[in-house]
Amino acid sequence: ETGVTQTPRHLVMGMTNKKSLKCEQHLGHNAMYWYKQSAKKPLELMFVYNFKEQTENNSVPSRFSPECPNSSHLFLHLHTLQPEDSALYLCASSQDAQGDGTDTQYFGPGTRLTVL
Amino acid sequence: AQKITQTQPGMFVQEKEAVTLDCTYDTSDPSYGLFWYKQPSSGEMIFLIYQGSYDQQNATEGRYSLNFQKARKSANLVISASQLGDSAMYFCAMREGYSSASKIIFGSGTRLSIRP
Repeated sequence: ETGVTQTPRHLVMGMTNKKSLKCEQHLGHNAMYWYKQSAKKPLELMFVYNFKEQTENNSVPSRFSPECPNSSHLFLHLHTLQPEDSALYLCASSQDAQGDGTDTQYFGPGTRLTVL
Repeated sequence: AQKITQTQPGMFVQEKEAVTLDCTYDTSDPSYGLFWYKQPSSGEMIFLIYQGSYDQQNATEGRYSLNFQKARKSANLVISASQLGDSAMYFCAMREGYSSASKIIFGSGTRLSIRP
């Protein structure tokens, strides 16, 4: 148990559905991240929030919409996804995204998403 | 060009033996951090060990140690006395520090399988 939880753990959705992934951290961190892990590809950073402000959008399509209402919660809103968006979506948190290189990210268990 | 290279897609090791997982990196930033994560089949990314670019000594955490060779830009993970529970994917990652973007770059991973 790393102190980062994600729900749901598994999600199957159609291309016309709208769904949301939720991440919550209990570590008192100020930065939260969304990553995408596809089969046979390295982990890809999607979004970074630091003190509730988005500091990075790694050229993510607009069908993925993040929301960070406070430093403990992070959402990823999904709409009109494509089958190639099927992947493991991992949330992480760290003390301070603009700190020095010692800032360690702690990950949640991930949501395994399947888009039909 | 790849910034993090893990050349071993898969490894098989006998239980109780030591194992070294290779990682080389490329950066021109003098300040950076190197991380190793373990990802079991459950999907959760578990932080194992951290090495800072200015650290004089190799990092150690229990059975894990990081063989940091700065001139060769390598950061190999050494697991002593391997256990069956060590079977997982292992990712090397790097953060180029002191920048406003807190991007951690992950390698493609090594799948470690421990034989009883």
